Amino acid sequence: EIVLTQSPGTLSLSPGERATLSCRASQSLSNRYLAWYQQKPGQAPRLIMYATSTRATGIPDRFSGSGSGTDFTLTISRLEPEDFAVYYCQQYGYSYSSYSYIFGQGTKLEIK
Amino acid sequence: QVQLVQSGAEVKETGASVKISCKTSGYGFTNYYIHWVRQAPGQGLEWMGIIRVGADKTENVQKFQGRVTMTRDTSTSTVYMELSSLRSEDTAVYFCAREFPETFNFDYWGQGTLVTVSS
Repeated sequence: EIVLTQSPGTLSLSPGERATLSCRASQSLSNRYLAWYQQKPGQAPRLIMYATSTRATGIPDRFSGSGSGTDFTLTISRLEPEDFAVYYCQQYGYSYSSYSYIFGQGTKLEIK
Repeated sequence: QVQLVQSGAEVKETGASVKISCKTSGYGFTNYYIHWVRQAPGQGLEWMGIIRVGADKTENVQKFQGRVTMTRDTSTSTVYMELSSLRSEDTAVYFCAREFPETFNFDYWGQGTLVTVSS
């Protein structure tokens, strides 16, 4: 089973700074299968990025995604107050005749 | 506009079952998959399973085998998820989420349904 490990667990930054969130997979996966979500307290997750580097509808261009193989990154170039939230990476995998949609454990982006 | 509206919060006793609905609108119901994802209090997201609505085929995580039933009603564009033999560790917010086939991500989510299991 593929495991996604996100780092850091918590990232403390100030508005205007650059945020770099990491997601490492336990085995290589296709870029098509990697997505990122933002979740604020009491809300459902929101799709931010899919296929590693494609921004979802309505997501501002300060968000960018990159990576390949086992290492993927979500970058927020200049943090806005509304960007402080928990971010999850998610991948799709197929093994042993079953599907899986695995989430990382999340990175909490908090205001410093 | 696309909407996924879930049923309200539930309180159940250990051993009981819960059935959550996810009523969809604003898109072709049978053209998408619906997933179920849960989140225990203060924890991360856990994928539970998928219903390929058009084909009416389901698949779920092995740990829920035999306890999860996902169904759909095309007349009301609603998907249901029933979880049986509830345990305290099933206390969580349950989300339904939509996937356009073979895109491997969830573009719209329901608002979540809190299920509390108490003894």
